[in-house]
Amino acid sequence: EAGVTQSPTHLIKTRGQQATLRCSPISGHTSVYWYQQALGLGLQFLLWYDEGEERNRGNFPPRFSGRQFPNYSSELNVNALELEDSALYLCASSLNNLREQYFGPGTRLTVT
Amino acid sequence: QKEVEQDPGPLSVPEGAIVSLNCTYSNSAFQYFMWYRQYSRKGPELLMYTYSSGNKEDGRFTAQVDKSSKYISLFIRDSQPSDSATYLCAMSVGYGGSQGNLIFGKGTKLSVKP
Repeated sequence: EAGVTQSPTHLIKTRGQQATLRCSPISGHTSVYWYQQALGLGLQFLLWYDEGEERNRGNFPPRFSGRQFPNYSSELNVNALELEDSALYLCASSLNNLREQYFGPGTRLTVT
Repeated sequence: QKEVEQDPGPLSVPEGAIVSLNCTYSNSAFQYFMWYRQYSRKGPELLMYTYSSGNKEDGRFTAQVDKSSKYISLFIRDSQPSDSATYLCAMSVGYGGSQGNLIFGKGTKLSVKP
């Protein structure tokens, strides 16, 4: 069974640009979660989507947004990029069950 | 006080040693507790999850939860060089109508020397 996949693996942007990150959950999983892992800060919760709806968001500004598509895949958009947005962005999925979240390999975003 | 505290290490042990990794937390509403392993530049891999207090064993790994002390542990027996990674504890409030997200510790970096 294929795991959570994310694309691209690496993304380099300049300050002020927009970034789009993509995630495909494990087949049959309806919930998708986005986390940011910045150096020294650990994993911070960004967004949770379930059945196409945003269910909760973490303590991040509105320029972090996303959506979930009918096939349960998801994208994360980061507008007006700032240097401190440089981090590993991780996507996780679960089978309508928040307890067991399975992570993808992440997208490393570098903002210069 | 942070919600979840985890000693970042690094922790270095010889091959074959028993490793003890720990986290403390402050939110008594947490009911689900997980341990993830993360190799360098990879996504976290779920190792163990437990509900409420008690022990759970899976091969060389044992997870313990003591809700009265707000303390969780992961023990690794017969540690191997391949166990060298960062270990993250994570926890969440009860299922259903809750926030959906996991709260993570910052991770403990473990190195197992041959």
